Amino acid sequence: EAGVAQSPRYKIIEKRQSVAFWCNPISGHATLYWYQQILGQGPKLLIQFQNNGVVDDSQLPKDRFSAERLKGVDSTLKIQPAKLEDSAVYLCASSLGGGPSYEQYFGPGTRLTVT
Amino acid sequence: DQQVKQNSPSLSVQEGRISILNCDYTNSMFDYFLWYKKYPAEGPTFLISISSIKDKNEDGRFTVFLNKSAKHLSLHIVPSQPGDSAVYFCAAWDGSQGNLIFGKGTKLSVKP
Repeated sequence: EAGVAQSPRYKIIEKRQSVAFWCNPISGHATLYWYQQILGQGPKLLIQFQNNGVVDDSQLPKDRFSAERLKGVDSTLKIQPAKLEDSAVYLCASSLGGGPSYEQYFGPGTRLTVT
Repeated sequence: DQQVKQNSPSLSVQEGRISILNCDYTNSMFDYFLWYKKYPAEGPTFLISISSIKDKNEDGRFTVFLNKSAKHLSLHIVPSQPGDSAVYFCAAWDGSQGNLIFGKGTKLSVKP
């Protein structure tokens, strides 16, 4: 079974530029998550989708971050404009459903460096 | 304000010995806890979990203990192997928000 795919793996941009990350979840997984992991911290949830609908985006800085999951499969996360404090690893995860009993499978992440 | 705390950033253990990783939480409403393991350049992978109705859950070499009155859980690895060297994250399920709250992680090094 293929895992969660993410691209690119690494990205370096200057502040005020824009960037987009892509995630392809495990086939059949209805729930998709985007996490931000700053160096030395644990992952922090940014947004959760159930199929193509947003379940929780309370931690997403909506003035600069946006995410979509068209057709309920792939998802993109965009930052525009980027700030220095956005430097982090952005992790995508998917699960069969929401709730603690559904294991979340994580992708390898995209490491973003903002200079 | 950290709701899930892993106060030891690192731990070094000899191969064959027991590794004990600790985690504290502040919200008594958390009712499900998970441990994830992360290797460099990879995403976290699920290791073991425990519901608040239990005080122990065992899976092979891995055992998680939960002390609800102390709001404390621990992960025991016996015997420790070099391949266990990784960062371990404790996470709690926040039912009111419907999401996982992660600690900062503990880097475990198992020396041959």
